[in-house]
Amino acid sequence: DGGITQSPKYLFRKEGQNVTLSCEQNLNHDAMYWYRQDPGQGLRLIYYSQIVNDFQKGDIAEGYSVSREKKESFPLTVTSAQKNPTAFYLCASSMIRPRGYGYTFGSGTRLTVV
Amino acid sequence: AQTVTQSQPEMSVQEAETVTLSCTYDTSESDYYLFWYKQPPSRQMILVIRQEAYKQQNATENRFSVNFQKAAKSFSLKISDSQLGDAAMYFCAYRIPITGNQFYFGTGTSLTVIP
Repeated sequence: DGGITQSPKYLFRKEGQNVTLSCEQNLNHDAMYWYRQDPGQGLRLIYYSQIVNDFQKGDIAEGYSVSREKKESFPLTVTSAQKNPTAFYLCASSMIRPRGYGYTFGSGTRLTVV
Repeated sequence: AQTVTQSQPEMSVQEAETVTLSCTYDTSESDYYLFWYKQPPSRQMILVIRQEAYKQQNATENRFSVNFQKAAKSFSLKISDSQLGDAAMYFCAYRIPITGNQFYFGTGTSLTVIP
């Protein structure tokens, strides 16, 4: 079955450590997105990519980095520069055409700083 | 700036009754698409319903329907015959193809269904 897989489900980070969240899709979707979810703040866009080897910053990109070397994969690295990384992270993918295509979401990764 | 406002952080409804969740948005674009997503306690985001802005007819999906008022930039979700499984966080969102196809989300409404 086609879908989008995020791993790990839970992740713990020590102060000053970089961690990478995985996002893989087998839906042949063109675009992929990373969102951060905090209580009371909805979903905020971190980065997105519409094509391999190209990506754009979202509203809260500081302290994060991404790569898009393959169409299927869009990993997110939370760097030590991100001062408050504890949150729930959601990856999504979508076709660009048709224009009204919805997102398919992964099941999320809960990151906690210890 | 693109914004989505959900003014009801929490709502409750009796089982089998009807509830309406409100959403307003702000965009100067004419080409956009509107969505409601549901996030149950599992935190898996599920598409509930979508609406093309160029269509005047309100979308319906079984017990879910929308009231789309384009001039007022309002997009409310009506849930009829509420069921216990409808209990979740509901997010309103819209997508503007010209700005990179990303979604803009509201802050969500937490819906409780009372047996």
